[in-house]
Amino acid sequence: IAGITQAPTSQILAAGRRMTLRCTQDMRHNAMYWYRQDLGLGLRLIHYSNTAGTTGKGEVPDGYSVSRANTDDFPLTLASAVPSQTSVYFCASSVEPGTEAFFGQGTRLTVV
Amino acid sequence: KNQVEQSPQSLIILEGKNCTLQCNYTVSPFSNLRWYKQDTGRGPVSLTIMTFSENTKSNGRYTATLDADTKQSSLHITASQLSDSASYICVVTPGQNFVFGPGTRLSVLP
Repeated sequence: IAGITQAPTSQILAAGRRMTLRCTQDMRHNAMYWYRQDLGLGLRLIHYSNTAGTTGKGEVPDGYSVSRANTDDFPLTLASAVPSQTSVYFCASSVEPGTEAFFGQGTRLTVV
Repeated sequence: KNQVEQSPQSLIILEGKNCTLQCNYTVSPFSNLRWYKQDTGRGPVSLTIMTFSENTKSNGRYTATLDADTKQSSLHITASQLSDSASYICVVTPGQNFVFGPGTRLSVLP
């Protein structure tokens, strides 16, 4: 059982380019989340999905979009990357919203 | 505003020593509190979870306490090992969301 998998592991991206971070879980969890983690700050919620077919905005959603076409996949898209989006991005899932979250290994994104 | 604060920001101890990490929160309503361990370059992994009625919970050498009246929690690590070097994150759940603290970076030296 893989759990929750993110791809790519790291990426250097030119400013203005479009990028999709992939997240897949095989635990049949209903809820999925995208966070960014920056030095000295706690994990900040970008977008979430409480169940397949629904999404919601978190604390820092600007510049990002998500979709939840099925239970397993929750991709995060940067339509036009900017340097301030340089960060480590974590995808997480939980059985139901608010229950224990299981995290992926993270994607380190550098926008130059 | 829901907020979680942690102290110290970083801590260095020698292998075999004990240490205590602190978490203060202003989160309402309160559902539960979790401590996560995050190794460098990895995602956080849950260590303990406590609900409002629980004031202590152990997981091996890790013991978490919760004082819901003062809105404080602590994570005590006994007989530290080199593998305990990591960031420890306090997470409070007000309902369906998570409020993360900034973490305490622990370094255990031989």
